[in-house]
Amino acid sequence: QKEVEQNSGPLSVPEGAIASLNCTYSDRGSQSFFWYRQYSGKSPELIMSIYSNGDKEDGRFTAQLNKASQYVSLLIRDSQPSDSATYLCASKNYKLSFGAGTTVTVRA
Amino acid sequence: DAGITQSPRHKVTETGTPVTLRCHQTENHRYMYWYRQDPGHGLRLIHYSYGVKDTDKGEVSDGYSVSRSKTEDFLLTLESATSSQTSVYFCAISEFSDRGQAGANVLTFGAGSRLTVL
Repeated sequence: QKEVEQNSGPLSVPEGAIASLNCTYSDRGSQSFFWYRQYSGKSPELIMSIYSNGDKEDGRFTAQLNKASQYVSLLIRDSQPSDSATYLCASKNYKLSFGAGTTVTVRA
Repeated sequence: DAGITQSPRHKVTETGTPVTLRCHQTENHRYMYWYRQDPGHGLRLIHYSYGVKDTDKGEVSDGYSVSRSKTEDFLLTLESATSSQTSVYFCAISEFSDRGQAGANVLTFGAGSRLTVL
């Protein structure tokens, strides 16, 4: 079992819609969670981090964490074509583990 | 990718040849990492360093070695490249350790080095 699981996608959403990305993790001791965005051919960049149960909002991005269900999600509101990328979920207990990523395509 | 430079950015080599990838940082961060990224696997840690001459293995370290003689430079060496090492390699730096339970660490990645082993 992979430590961090994500749907690979692609997830296709129309411009202006909400994109919902899901991530589950297997290490119940994980305390920190991250979302990285990676454009095609580029390196990952951090867009969100979350450490407590509940929601964390940053602009059009909302991260949601449910430690009891071992579930992390990322919502992208008012999706734009510039949001088309692969989104990597990562969890950290004693080490940082990455999921394989979900590819999002925002169609105009 | 400000502050981190990887070289070479692209390399094609033959099976059995040695390859060295270089990561150079200007951020003076203590922690440096080498990851590989393959379709369906995400980012997997090869080796990391927590200071000059202090390195440790990650989850996919077989066939790789590293060296860090200066704070700013972290070298990844494939002693005898194999086709299974064809991948995109990313160097990353962080101000805080990604080891240990407490605290958050933000990784900043270099632009990547695409290696093809024929």
